Amino acid sequence: DTAVSQTPKYLVTQMGNDKSIKCEQNLGHDTMYWYKQDSKKFLKIMFSYNNKELIINETVPNRFSPKSPDKAHLNLHINSLELGDSAVYFCASSQNQRYNEQFFGPGTRLTVL
Amino acid sequence: GQSLEQPSEVTAVEGAIVQINCTYQTSGFYGLSWYQQHDGGAPTFLSYNGLDGLEETGRFSSFLSRSDSYGYLLLQELQMKDSASYFCAVRDTNAGKSTFGDGTTLTVKP
Repeated sequence: DTAVSQTPKYLVTQMGNDKSIKCEQNLGHDTMYWYKQDSKKFLKIMFSYNNKELIINETVPNRFSPKSPDKAHLNLHINSLELGDSAVYFCASSQNQRYNEQFFGPGTRLTVL
Repeated sequence: GQSLEQPSEVTAVEGAIVQINCTYQTSGFYGLSWYQQHDGGAPTFLSYNGLDGLEETGRFSSFLSRSDSYGYLLLQELQMKDSASYFCAVRDTNAGKSTFGDGTTLTVKP
């Protein structure tokens, strides 16, 4: 019955590798988001999709590529991982892009060695 | 640019009342929200203010003054489980983008 789920929960990998994080929501929401939370707990939006269309693309290296195969799924692929990519990545969803309440997934803790 | 300011840390005792302030400077304003995050957990939505005034949800209330670009979260009858980080967030576009403050760590002591 999980509303927003992410896999994997933990990801440990070497610099230079490519990895993906998957997100699914079963709330019937139109809008999904990726956030990055660093070690100081600063929460920054990276991307947002509304009905599979990219609507927000913050200043994020193009090594990060989101993909939304349908409105219930939003995946994040990261190429050539760097040490600075180590963080917790949260997926979230909201009813639509004008709705303020966001539901967050449990997070994926990425550690780049 | 967009900026939100909130205190980095607040400490209070069980049973007390605490207020966490948030001032914002954003290019647009479509509402102020508050989120709670426990250590190791995900942010969870607490409240939303789109218009000036006070919104009450149980022990938590949130206030907004758009003319002052200011809001606060009021937590009453503090419990140990309220120890967490609290984030204010402003939706500053009509297209879903919310900017989060840096968070306030609340420590509730016995």
